[in-house]
Amino acid sequence: SYVLTQPPSVSVAPGQTAKITCEGNNIRSKSVHWYQQKPGQAPLLVVYDDRDRPSGIPERFSGSNSGNTATLTISRVEAADEADYYCQVWDTSSDHPVFGGGAKLTVL
Amino acid sequence: QVQLVQSGAEVKKPGASVKVSCKASGYTFTRYGIIWLRQAPGQGLQWMGWISAYSGTTNYAQIFQDRVMMTTDTSTSTAYMELRSLIIDDTAVYYCARAYCSSTSCPGSKFDTWGQGTLVTVSS
Repeated sequence: SYVLTQPPSVSVAPGQTAKITCEGNNIRSKSVHWYQQKPGQAPLLVVYDDRDRPSGIPERFSGSNSGNTATLTISRVEAADEADYYCQVWDTSSDHPVFGGGAKLTVL
Repeated sequence: QVQLVQSGAEVKKPGASVKVSCKASGYTFTRYGIIWLRQAPGQGLQWMGWISAYSGTTNYAQIFQDRVMMTTDTSTSTAYMELRSLIIDDTAVYYCARAYCSSTSCPGSKFDTWGQGTLVTVSS
């Protein structure tokens, strides 16, 4: 089945740019969605269809997808962005969603 | 506003069953599907299955195939997930989320609305 690989952790100083990657075989052929999850809360969709943002999500959150890597970029990182971030695609061969293992963003 | 509200926390003994509900509001229930996931303490998200609220079509993760059942009640816009033969390792927060499904599948679906989660604790 399809596998998504994320780095376990990413660290960045406030005001800098964080890049969280999601690797999968020919992932560019799939629509990638990104979720933010803070402790004790349900996941929140922050980017969908590779690069679109739901209403209410700051423009600081952006996405890209090319080759075997999709990337969530958070510009001008704030302390409130500290959370776990999960990428997700739909595996059409098995007709179910696939999630990455999650990346913990630490704001230094 | 679009909202999913789940039932409250449960404590169960090994071998018992649990049924979690997920009540939808703010949208036409039958135009979407519901996905169920769980998250064990300190772990990532694990997909359990999805159900089309329009047709009742289900697709369960193989690991849960033999002991999970997902249903919907369109008269109350509520989805249910029942997990049987509970074991200690089923202790987790269970989430429902809205999925963009046809009557038979949810290709490419994102999950734009989530329930608040239901903690199920399995303990002897």
